[in-house]
Amino acid sequence: KAGVTQTPRYLIKTRGQQVTLSCSPISGHRSVSWYQQTPGQGLQFLFEYFSETQRNKGNFPGRFSGRQFSNSRSEMNVSTLELGDSALYLCASSEEQGARSEEQYFGPGTRLTVT
Amino acid sequence: AQKVTQAQTEISVVEKEDVTLDCVYETRDTTYYLFWYKQPPSGELVFLIRRNSFDEQNEISGRYSWNFQKSTSSFNFTITASQVVDSAVYFCALSDAEDTGRRALTFGSGTRLQVQP
Repeated sequence: KAGVTQTPRYLIKTRGQQVTLSCSPISGHRSVSWYQQTPGQGLQFLFEYFSETQRNKGNFPGRFSGRQFSNSRSEMNVSTLELGDSALYLCASSEEQGARSEEQYFGPGTRLTVT
Repeated sequence: AQKVTQAQTEISVVEKEDVTLDCVYETRDTTYYLFWYKQPPSGELVFLIRRNSFDEQNEISGRYSWNFQKSTSSFNFTITASQVVDSAVYFCALSDAEDTGRRALTFGSGTRLQVQP
């Protein structure tokens, strides 16, 4: 099976702009989670989607949003970008049922730089 | 609240040495999962192992082994006969096992392992 894919891999934006990142989960995986990784804060959970519904949300401002489509692909959006949003954004997918339902498999990430 | 502590920020060893990465966790949940992930320079987090809180058996997979001790809330990871390819940042993580909607991973700060040839 192909792994989790994320596009684009690299992105440079200016403060105040908005950005949309895309994630395609492993085939058959219905849950998609997003994480932000920065040198200062480490890896932090953003949100999780299942069946096109946000099931869990981390402690991030409303500028961070996401959605999931019927084919389980997910997008996350950050509006009014700030310098502190520069980070590696990682997407992870997992099966919803079965013995490995809690195992999350990560994509290569999108490195966002805000200038 | 859940918390994962990886006190070792960076470890440097010479190839073929054994190395142990420490992980201590805090949770009020009675059932939970523990994980180890590897992050090579490419950035992708690679899943290594999952451990259920009910299963305290140690596990060995090739040169990798894991020691789970519930009494000390620790889940340590040992690499035997380290190789240069083991150089990466290793993360320990924790998630709730009872509520599907709370499967968010809480990560430690990571341990950077450098294996010198």
